[in-house]
Amino acid sequence: DAKTTQPNSMESNEEEPVHLPCNHSTISGTDYIHWYRQLPSQGPEYVIHGLTSNVNNRMASLAIAEDRKSSTLILHRATLRDAAVYYCILRPYNNNDMRFGAGTRLTVKP
Amino acid sequence: DTEVTQTPKHLVMGMTNKKSLKCEQHMGHRAMYWYKQKAKKPPELMFVYSYEKLSINESVPSRFSPECPNSSLLNLHLHALQPEDSALYLCASSQAGRKNTGELFFGEGSRLTVL
Repeated sequence: DAKTTQPNSMESNEEEPVHLPCNHSTISGTDYIHWYRQLPSQGPEYVIHGLTSNVNNRMASLAIAEDRKSSTLILHRATLRDAAVYYCILRPYNNNDMRFGAGTRLTVKP
Repeated sequence: DTEVTQTPKHLVMGMTNKKSLKCEQHMGHRAMYWYKQKAKKPPELMFVYSYEKLSINESVPSRFSPECPNSSLLNLHLHALQPEDSALYLCASSQAGRKNTGELFFGEGSRLTVL
């Protein structure tokens, strides 16, 4: 199974950018890279996903390395509401198999 | 409506009880998921239904029995559970097949305590 590796925890200051890394050295050519986050006492929520190219949406940006063995979720200006556990997940193409790794717990300091 | 509704929010049951967790969505999604989450741990995939057929069963003990009676509903029937089954049970839904972008919509979960 393709797996992901993320730091256990990271800290950020409010209103500063945050770069959350994910390593996935065994990624296959058809695996999509997904990011979810889970706020305290809530179910996970989708953040962003990509295949090869960098992606932007209203929540975040996803930067994917050229060899696809790593990716970085970028929160452009962290707020206190962004404090959550962030999960990087690989999903095989045309497959519903979504398995969460350990994730990174992000703390945002005022 | 982008909601996944799970009931009950909290459930306490004895080891000999039979109970069910329910999940409902009206987004037209044809894939539905059950995850189990213990405190401070990531969600663990249990079951996936695609077009109302069980497509993934992660070797979950038979005391957990999923059911997908129609495309909007997903149940998890519980029988003879153990205290270690106490956890937050999360339901999710998504598009299925070629329409699946990997965007899952999660409910808030049902917190189960087994005494």
